[in-house]
Amino acid sequence: AQKVTQAQTEISVVEKEDVTLDCVYETRDTTYYLFWYKQPPSGELVFLIRRNSFDEQNEISGRYSWNFQKSTSSFNFTITASQVVDSAVYFCALSGEGDMRFGAGTRLTVKP
Amino acid sequence: KAGVTQTPRYLIKTRGQQVTLSCSPISGHRSVSWYQQTPGQGLQFLFEYFSETQRNKGNFPGRFSGRQFSNSRSEMNVSTLELGDSALYLCASSPDRGRMNTEAFFGQGTRLTVV
Repeated sequence: AQKVTQAQTEISVVEKEDVTLDCVYETRDTTYYLFWYKQPPSGELVFLIRRNSFDEQNEISGRYSWNFQKSTSSFNFTITASQVVDSAVYFCALSGEGDMRFGAGTRLTVKP
Repeated sequence: KAGVTQTPRYLIKTRGQQVTLSCSPISGHRSVSWYQQTPGQGLQFLFEYFSETQRNKGNFPGRFSGRQFSNSRSEMNVSTLELGDSALYLCASSPDRGRMNTEAFFGQGTRLTVV
């Protein structure tokens, strides 16, 4: 069975603070993909990143960075110097042999 | 390249009615998946279609059904609507499912309200 856990339901930070969103997953598949999506108030899920199970390199894209650790089954997402526009719900997702499973999401609020 | 288009964006229906939602995937994408999003249950997988065939199905009652056409456009239908069906229904398209989703692009969703 596949499962994605985002233990943080809501996070509130002040602009320019760094924030890390946690994601822990469970799967028996040896090959799988992990994703992060952002859902702004408009509703559309915006693709942020995809990682396959064989690529544990961390990635940085501007203010965003991702830390993938198979040993702890975690795929955490860090926003550096957060901005008000980063306010959204962020979902971690896992895709293996079956359908794509999503975590419950973390609502991030960045206050000016 | 146009994104995933879902119509209508908003819908209000009465209990007992049926509803059909439409999704046009990104051009060239052959896989379409549907998800239901509610505050209580989060994002739940409904079903996936690939080349007009249902390839995977989530744990939803038979009132929820779908289909895919030869041009990859997909529709989902909910019959005998219940209040609990009120949700945001999201469609995602992928270029080729293969054995798993390697990338999925979502539409803006259809917000269904059942009264």
